[in-house]
Amino acid sequence: GAGVSQSPRYKVAKRGQDVALRCDPISGHVSLFWYQQALGQGPEFLTYFQNEAQLDKSGLPSDRFFAERPEGSVSTLKIQRTQQEDSAVYLCASSPFLAGASTDTQYFGPGTRLTVL
Amino acid sequence: KNEVEQSPQNLTAQEGEFITINCSYSVGISALHWLQQHPGGGIVSLFMLSSGKKKHGRLIATINIQEKHSSLHITASHPRDSAVYICAVSYDGNKLVFGAGTILRVKS
Repeated sequence: GAGVSQSPRYKVAKRGQDVALRCDPISGHVSLFWYQQALGQGPEFLTYFQNEAQLDKSGLPSDRFFAERPEGSVSTLKIQRTQQEDSAVYLCASSPFLAGASTDTQYFGPGTRLTVL
Repeated sequence: KNEVEQSPQNLTAQEGEFITINCSYSVGISALHWLQQHPGGGIVSLFMLSSGKKKHGRLIATINIQEKHSSLHITASHPRDSAVYICAVSYDGNKLVFGAGTILRVKS
């Protein structure tokens, strides 16, 4: 079956522009995660959804970052007034289980590489 | 200090060599994950461990809960194993906390 897909794969934005990044999780997966990976570093957690509910947004770096998953499937990460420090790869992952399940593999998308000029 | 420490940061090996990548973490976890990331590619989950040892092909992952330490071994390494290997932990089955990754290059 299809894996996690993300679009666009690459995005170049001018500083100050708003961007929207899309994640299509594996069909039926309950949990969805967004991570940010700066160049040469490991990913860092941004936010987590269980179905349509955003249960943890503690990793969002500022109020310019907003994520939604209104119907419990596709999710969008929006960044307003982009800054150069927002340049990174944004990874989406989904999991079939509820958070807290002891056996929980996350399936990652290919990521969106955002470059802010 | 990162909650998840990996070593080495960079590793170059000759084809056929046995490779070990280490991961240590600071507090109790619910599971530890080993992940592989190819340049320009997405992340693939290799193993998820909460105890003991797992093996898949030429890859072996072990974890020592008491010592808060895990190792990923690659036997008979091959150039196609060249990638970034990332250790990550979860505390409640929720978000992952990642190490910085180990860049592995296997030369033929």
